[in-house]
Amino acid sequence: EAGVAQSPRYKIIEKRQSVAFWCNPISGHATLYWYQQILGQGPKLLIQFQNNGVVDDSQLPKDRFSAERLKGVDSTLKIQPAKLEDSAVYLCASSLHFDRTYEQYFGPGTRLTVT
Amino acid sequence: KNEVEQSPQNLTAQEGEFITINCSYSVGISALHWLQQHPGGGIVSLFMLSSGKKKHGRLIATINIQEKHSSLHITASHPRDSAVYICAVSPPDKLIFGTGTRLQVFP
Repeated sequence: EAGVAQSPRYKIIEKRQSVAFWCNPISGHATLYWYQQILGQGPKLLIQFQNNGVVDDSQLPKDRFSAERLKGVDSTLKIQPAKLEDSAVYLCASSLHFDRTYEQYFGPGTRLTVT
Repeated sequence: KNEVEQSPQNLTAQEGEFITINCSYSVGISALHWLQQHPGGGIVSLFMLSSGKKKHGRLIATINIQEKHSSLHITASHPRDSAVYICAVSPPDKLIFGTGTRLQVFP
Protein backbone atom coordinates (compact mmCIF):
# COMPACT_ATOMS: atom_id res chain seq x y z
CA GLU A 1 0.00 0.00 0.00
CA ALA A 2 1.46 3.35 -1.01
CA GLY A 3 1.81 5.91 1.74
CA VAL A 4 0.93 9.58 1.86
CA ALA A 5 2.87 11.47 -0.80
CA GLN A 6 3.96 15.08 -0.50
CA SER A 7 5.89 17.44 -2.74
CA PRO A 8 8.16 19.25 -2.79
CA ARG A 9 10.26 17.89 0.07
CA TYR A 10 12.15 21.16 0.52
CA LYS A 11 11.43 24.74 -0.50
CA ILE A 12 13.30 27.97 0.10
CA ILE A 13 11.59 31.26 -0.72
CA GLU A 14 11.92 34.91 0.16
CA LYS A 15 9.39 36.64 2.37
CA ARG A 16 6.36 37.99 0.52
CA GLN A 17 6.67 35.28 -2.14
CA SER A 18 4.02 32.61 -2.67
CA VAL A 19 4.40 28.86 -2.27
CA ALA A 20 2.21 25.80 -2.74
CA PHE A 21 2.46 22.30 -1.33
CA TRP A 22 0.81 19.18 -2.68
CA CYS A 23 -0.43 16.08 -0.87
CA ASN A 24 -1.83 12.80 -2.15
CA PRO A 25 -3.36 10.72 0.67
CA ILE A 26 -3.60 6.96 0.95
CA SER A 27 -6.18 5.60 -1.47
CA GLY A 28 -9.59 5.35 0.16
CA HIS A 29 -8.82 7.69 3.04
CA ALA A 30 -11.64 10.20 3.25
CA THR A 31 -10.00 12.46 5.82
CA LEU A 32 -6.97 14.64 5.09
CA TYR A 33 -5.08 16.89 7.51
CA TRP A 34 -2.52 19.63 7.04
CA TYR A 35 -0.23 20.34 10.01
CA GLN A 36 2.42 22.98 10.61
CA GLN A 37 5.39 21.94 12.74
CA ILE A 38 7.74 24.68 13.85
CA LEU A 39 11.19 23.53 14.96
CA GLY A 40 11.12 22.22 18.52
CA GLN A 41 7.33 22.07 18.71
CA GLY A 42 4.68 19.45 18.12
CA PRO A 43 2.54 19.59 14.97
CA LYS A 44 -0.29 22.12 14.90
CA LEU A 45 -3.42 21.36 12.90
CA LEU A 46 -4.06 23.89 10.14
CA ILE A 47 -7.02 22.31 8.36
CA GLN A 48 -8.97 19.05 8.23
CA PHE A 49 -10.94 17.87 5.20
CA GLN A 50 -13.59 15.19 5.08
CA ASN A 51 -13.76 14.26 1.38
CA ASN A 52 -13.80 17.69 -0.29
CA GLY A 53 -15.44 19.54 2.63
CA VAL A 54 -13.67 21.44 5.41
CA VAL A 55 -14.24 19.99 8.91
CA ASP A 56 -11.95 22.30 10.88
CA ASP A 57 -9.92 25.29 9.75
CA SER A 58 -10.04 27.21 13.02
CA GLN A 59 -6.24 27.53 13.26
CA LEU A 60 -5.60 28.35 9.60
CA PRO A 61 -4.36 31.95 9.15
CA LYS A 62 -6.88 32.68 6.45
CA ASP A 63 -5.39 36.03 5.51
CA ARG A 64 -2.42 34.25 3.93
CA PHE A 65 -3.07 30.51 3.95
CA SER A 66 -5.53 28.64 1.77
CA ALA A 67 -6.16 24.98 1.10
CA GLU A 68 -8.36 22.99 -1.22
CA ARG A 69 -9.28 19.41 -1.92
CA LEU A 70 -11.46 19.85 -4.96
CA LYS A 71 -12.11 16.23 -5.94
CA GLY A 72 -11.86 14.77 -2.46
CA VAL A 73 -8.53 13.12 -3.16
CA ASP A 74 -5.33 15.16 -3.37
CA SER A 75 -4.95 18.54 -1.74
CA THR A 76 -2.98 21.76 -2.11
CA LEU A 77 -1.92 24.15 0.66
CA LYS A 78 -0.89 27.65 -0.39
CA ILE A 79 0.81 30.50 1.44
CA GLN A 80 0.54 33.96 -0.11
CA PRO A 81 2.47 36.06 0.89
CA ALA A 82 4.91 34.14 3.06
CA LYS A 83 6.37 35.54 6.28
CA LEU A 84 9.55 34.58 8.09
CA GLU A 85 7.52 32.88 10.84
CA ASP A 86 6.05 30.48 8.27
CA SER A 87 9.35 28.59 8.21
CA ALA A 88 8.35 25.11 9.34
CA VAL A 89 7.70 21.57 8.22
CA TYR A 90 4.27 21.17 6.65
CA LEU A 91 2.90 17.71 7.22
CA CYS A 92 0.01 16.07 5.45
CA ALA A 93 -1.79 13.12 7.03
CA SER A 94 -4.77 10.99 6.11
CA SER A 95 -7.08 8.59 7.88
CA LEU A 96 -10.02 6.39 7.04
CA HIS A 97 -12.42 8.26 9.29
CA PHE A 98 -12.86 11.85 10.44
CA ASP A 99 -12.79 10.79 14.12
CA ARG A 100 -9.34 11.85 15.32
CA THR A 101 -9.05 8.74 17.48
CA TYR A 102 -8.48 6.85 14.24
CA GLU A 103 -4.87 6.28 13.24
CA GLN A 104 -3.43 8.98 11.04
CA TYR A 105 -0.82 8.21 8.42
CA PHE A 106 1.70 10.97 7.84
CA GLY A 107 3.58 11.98 4.73
CA PRO A 108 7.29 12.84 4.72
CA GLY A 109 6.59 16.56 5.07
CA THR A 110 7.72 19.65 3.19
CA ARG A 111 10.39 21.72 4.90
CA LEU A 112 9.82 25.41 4.10
CA THR A 113 12.46 28.03 4.75
CA VAL A 114 11.45 31.68 4.34
CA THR A 115 14.38 34.08 4.12
CA LYS B 1 0.73 24.74 31.12
CA ASN B 2 0.62 22.50 28.03
CA GLU B 3 -2.15 19.91 27.91
CA VAL B 4 0.40 17.24 26.94
CA GLU B 5 3.76 17.15 28.68
CA GLN B 6 6.60 14.83 27.76
CA SER B 7 9.75 14.03 29.67
CA PRO B 8 12.59 14.09 29.21
CA GLN B 9 12.91 16.61 26.37
CA ASN B 10 16.26 15.15 25.36
CA LEU B 11 17.67 11.72 26.04
CA THR B 12 21.04 10.21 25.26
CA ALA B 13 21.70 6.50 25.61
CA GLN B 14 24.30 3.87 24.82
CA GLU B 15 23.36 1.05 22.51
CA GLY B 16 21.64 -1.74 24.43
CA GLU B 17 20.20 0.44 27.18
CA PHE B 18 16.55 0.29 28.28
CA ILE B 19 14.82 3.60 27.55
CA THR B 20 11.67 5.13 28.99
CA ILE B 21 9.86 8.20 27.70
CA ASN B 22 6.97 9.60 29.69
CA CYS B 23 3.81 11.46 28.69
CA SER B 24 1.34 13.15 31.03
CA TYR B 25 -1.84 14.84 29.92
CA SER B 26 -4.49 16.94 31.59
CA VAL B 27 -7.57 16.41 29.41
CA GLY B 28 -10.04 13.57 29.07
CA ILE B 29 -9.15 11.39 26.12
CA SER B 30 -10.44 8.49 24.09
CA ALA B 31 -7.02 7.43 22.79
CA LEU B 32 -3.32 8.21 23.05
CA HIS B 33 -0.84 7.94 20.19
CA TRP B 34 2.91 7.45 20.18
CA LEU B 35 4.59 8.72 17.01
CA GLN B 36 8.18 8.57 15.75
CA GLN B 37 9.70 11.38 13.72
CA HIS B 38 13.06 10.94 12.00
CA PRO B 39 15.24 13.81 10.77
CA GLY B 40 13.69 15.09 7.56
CA GLY B 41 10.24 15.34 9.07
CA GLY B 42 8.27 12.19 8.25
CA ILE B 43 6.14 10.81 11.10
CA VAL B 44 5.32 7.17 11.70
CA SER B 45 2.58 6.03 14.02
CA LEU B 46 3.94 3.52 16.55
CA PHE B 47 0.98 2.85 18.82
CA MET B 48 -2.57 3.90 19.49
CA LEU B 49 -3.73 3.06 23.02
CA SER B 50 -6.92 3.46 24.97
CA SER B 51 -6.02 1.18 27.88
CA GLY B 52 -3.42 -1.24 29.17
CA LYS B 53 -0.32 -2.11 27.23
CA LYS B 54 0.82 -2.81 23.68
CA LYS B 55 4.04 -4.35 22.42
CA HIS B 56 5.62 -4.29 18.99
CA GLY B 57 9.09 -5.73 18.66
CA ARG B 58 11.37 -3.89 21.08
CA LEU B 59 8.79 -1.19 21.74
CA ILE B 60 6.28 -1.30 24.60
CA ALA B 61 3.64 1.34 25.32
CA THR B 62 1.56 1.53 28.48
CA ILE B 63 -1.21 3.83 29.58
CA ASN B 64 -2.85 4.53 32.94
CA ILE B 65 -6.10 6.35 32.24
CA GLN B 66 -6.78 7.14 35.92
CA GLU B 67 -3.37 8.78 36.36
CA LYS B 68 -3.45 10.37 32.88
CA HIS B 69 -0.01 9.00 32.11
CA SER B 70 1.62 6.91 29.42
CA SER B 71 5.11 5.53 28.93
CA LEU B 72 6.99 4.35 25.87
CA HIS B 73 9.75 1.84 26.54
CA ILE B 74 12.48 0.75 24.15
CA THR B 75 14.35 -2.41 25.10
CA ALA B 76 17.87 -3.11 23.81
CA SER B 77 18.11 0.33 22.19
CA HIS B 78 19.92 0.71 18.88
CA PRO B 79 21.34 3.73 17.01
CA ARG B 80 18.53 3.40 14.45
CA ASP B 81 16.08 4.21 17.26
CA SER B 82 17.47 7.77 17.26
CA ALA B 83 14.51 10.01 16.49
CA VAL B 84 11.99 12.34 18.08
CA TYR B 85 9.18 10.51 19.87
CA ILE B 86 5.90 12.40 20.08
CA CYS B 87 2.95 11.70 22.34
CA ALA B 88 -0.46 12.85 21.07
CA VAL B 89 -3.85 12.55 22.74
CA SER B 90 -7.36 12.44 21.30
CA PRO B 91 -10.10 14.20 23.18
CA PRO B 92 -13.33 13.81 21.21
CA ASP B 93 -12.84 16.75 18.88
CA LYS B 94 -9.12 17.22 18.34
CA LEU B 95 -5.62 15.75 18.45
CA ILE B 96 -3.19 17.42 20.85
CA PHE B 97 0.53 16.86 20.37
CA GLY B 98 3.34 17.01 22.89
CA THR B 99 6.57 18.75 21.92
CA GLY B 100 8.44 15.49 21.61
CA THR B 101 11.43 13.75 23.18
CA ARG B 102 14.64 13.75 21.17
CA LEU B 103 16.44 10.42 21.60
CA GLN B 104 20.01 9.80 20.51
CA VAL B 105 21.45 6.29 20.85
CA PHE B 106 25.21 5.97 20.45
CA PRO B 107 27.05 2.78 19.45
